[in-house]
Amino acid sequence: KQEVTQIPAALSVPEGENLVLNCSFTDSAIYNLQWFRQDPGKGLTSLLLIQSSQREQTSGRLNASLDKSSGRSTLYIAASQPGDSATYLCAVLDSGGGADGLTFGKGTHLIIQP
Amino acid sequence: NAGVTQTPKFQVLKTGQSMTLQCAQDMNHEYMSWYRQDPGMGLRLIHYSVGAGITDQGEVPNGYNVSRSTTEDFPLRLLSAAPSQTSVYFCASSPEGGISYGYTFGSGTRLTVV
Repeated sequence: KQEVTQIPAALSVPEGENLVLNCSFTDSAIYNLQWFRQDPGKGLTSLLLIQSSQREQTSGRLNASLDKSSGRSTLYIAASQPGDSATYLCAVLDSGGGADGLTFGKGTHLIIQP
Repeated sequence: NAGVTQTPKFQVLKTGQSMTLQCAQDMNHEYMSWYRQDPGMGLRLIHYSVGAGITDQGEVPNGYNVSRSTTEDFPLRLLSAAPSQTSVYFCASSPEGGISYGYTFGSGTRLTVV
């Protein structure tokens, strides 16, 4: 069974710092990996989708990388801002069969201090 | 486009009551699914549908019922609510099972069973 782990569980940094969030998964048979942002009491907003054949995706100050063979992904946030404070979730879509759907990590709760 | 719309946003039920959580999407997506989010557990798949008239179970289906009579709607029914079903419920959709375009999530329904 696929398992997704996110480290750290929580992170607090001063505004302006560059930071890296980590995601690891146990089964490399995936179609893709998706990073989401969740604000308190809100839904999930998709940030980046990386296909299994890709190494990275970029959107603005966000860059996500994928190393499928080692089962790892990172989300790099450049020049962090207080508005980046949220919980960041990563999820993988398995290609090995079984129920259709995403397997999620538990998230990294990020606080950017003004 | 409204995307994925969930109603209600909040609900309090008494143990044993039944209710239906509504989910509608206006993107003509074939795939729809329901997740629950619990503290320390991450999001888990309850039920999913690959098209009108087709549904299947996810990781945690017990106590829930679904049907898919139209492409747009995918309601989740709680047959006899239990305190263990206190959670935040998210509906998600995708045009093709998330392989190429990922998933779009609704804003969630926060359910409390007392």
